Amino acid sequence: SQTIHQWPATLVQPVGSPLSLECTVEGTSNPNLYWYRQAAGRGLQLLFYSVGIGQISSEVPQNLSASRPQDRQFILSSKKLLLSDSGFYLCAWSRTGGYSNTEAFFGQGTRLTVV
Amino acid sequence: EDQVTQSPEALRLQEGESSSLNCSYTVSGLRGLFWYRQDPGKGPEFLFTLYSAGEEKEKERLKATLTKKESFLHITAPKPEDSATYLCAVQSTSGTYKYIFGTGTRLKVLA
Repeated sequence: SQTIHQWPATLVQPVGSPLSLECTVEGTSNPNLYWYRQAAGRGLQLLFYSVGIGQISSEVPQNLSASRPQDRQFILSSKKLLLSDSGFYLCAWSRTGGYSNTEAFFGQGTRLTVV
Repeated sequence: EDQVTQSPEALRLQEGESSSLNCSYTVSGLRGLFWYRQDPGKGPEFLFTLYSAGEEKEKERLKATLTKKESFLHITAPKPEDSATYLCAVQSTSGTYKYIFGTGTRLKVLA
């Protein structure tokens, strides 16, 4: 079966510090990978998605970047955090196109507080 | 532009009081419509995928239906453990594989 791991669960970082959040998927190959951010009481905002190694699409101009160094690894980074980067970050995966099951599966999220 | 609107924003029900949540969508071509449940501080948990108008899916007290413009999540005789935020998302046939989410309905079921 497939599983998705996301860490850390919570993070408190000072303004101006760097950020690295990691997500890995097990039990599948060549998944589509996603990073979403959820503000308190709000819906999910798509930040980045990737359909293959080294292929990253950015949805929102911002202080963040994403990388996919391996097939099942997705990393969200920032060189200098802003207060506005605080939020709940979620990683997700889905099967590559051609499958009838197209739903995405989410990790348990990282609560980031920038102070 | 693909868009998803959910209503109501919040809903309080008595235990056993059935109701429906609405998800209206605008998409160039629908590849799939998805329902998720999210508990506080957790990632969304997948519930259903619907692909075409007229399709229905059921799981315990939940039933999801789909038309060409909207989807409903019907909750029959809810229990307090059904309290959560329910999210709706769509994926279009544009080939980008993005999931566009609504802002969710916060459901509270009172004992």
